[in-house]
Amino acid sequence: EAQVTQNPRYLITVTGKKLTVTCSQNMNHEYMSWYRQDPGLGLRQIYYSMNVEVTDKGDVPEGYKVSRKEKRNFPLILESPSPNQTSLYFCASNPFGRGLAETQYFGPGTRLLVL
Amino acid sequence: GDSVTQMEGPVTLSEEAFLTINCTYTATGYPSLFWYVQYPGEGLQLLLKATKADDKGSNKGFEATYRKETTSFHLEKGSVQVSDSAVYFCALSSEAGGFKTIFGAGTRLFVKA
Repeated sequence: EAQVTQNPRYLITVTGKKLTVTCSQNMNHEYMSWYRQDPGLGLRQIYYSMNVEVTDKGDVPEGYKVSRKEKRNFPLILESPSPNQTSLYFCASNPFGRGLAETQYFGPGTRLLVL
Repeated sequence: GDSVTQMEGPVTLSEEAFLTINCTYTATGYPSLFWYVQYPGEGLQLLLKATKADDKGSNKGFEATYRKETTSFHLEKGSVQVSDSAVYFCALSSEAGGFKTIFGAGTRLFVKA
């Protein structure tokens, strides 16, 4: 089944404790992206990657890191989480064959609470 | 920078009512426009899209037309069902804007039986 998977689905942590949220897609997509969803703000793009070893900042990259060492994986790293990073996070992928006119496929989401 | 503005919710309708959710945008170049839907507890899934001016996207009875002159992409459905209750997001993607995707704030729809 073609899908985007994220782990963990739920996470409670404390300020300053490094964490990684994994994202994997099995559709051989070129483009992958991370978003955060907050009430009243919709989804905001954190980082995106157009291919292996190619990443770029979205609109809200502060406090986050990403890497793209393999085509299928795009982990999101919070080196020192803070309470304002409490949010619902989505990973997405896109085949990018016709650029960003292609549909994005979203993972199920990771709900993060930073105390 | 690029932006998407959609009507605030929640929108509450009775079953079989007509639905319109307004969406307007500002963008560099010629963006692609999308409507995504999020059902409770799930990720987003594409509802419909349009990639150039005057294109009409349609799916599951929903429609939206890419209007460049009014920079709009309003979502419509002639007769809503209880199962349409969800959050609807308007979005644009523009390579001229830096290969990013911009989402609106979302509009929650409640449909009563």
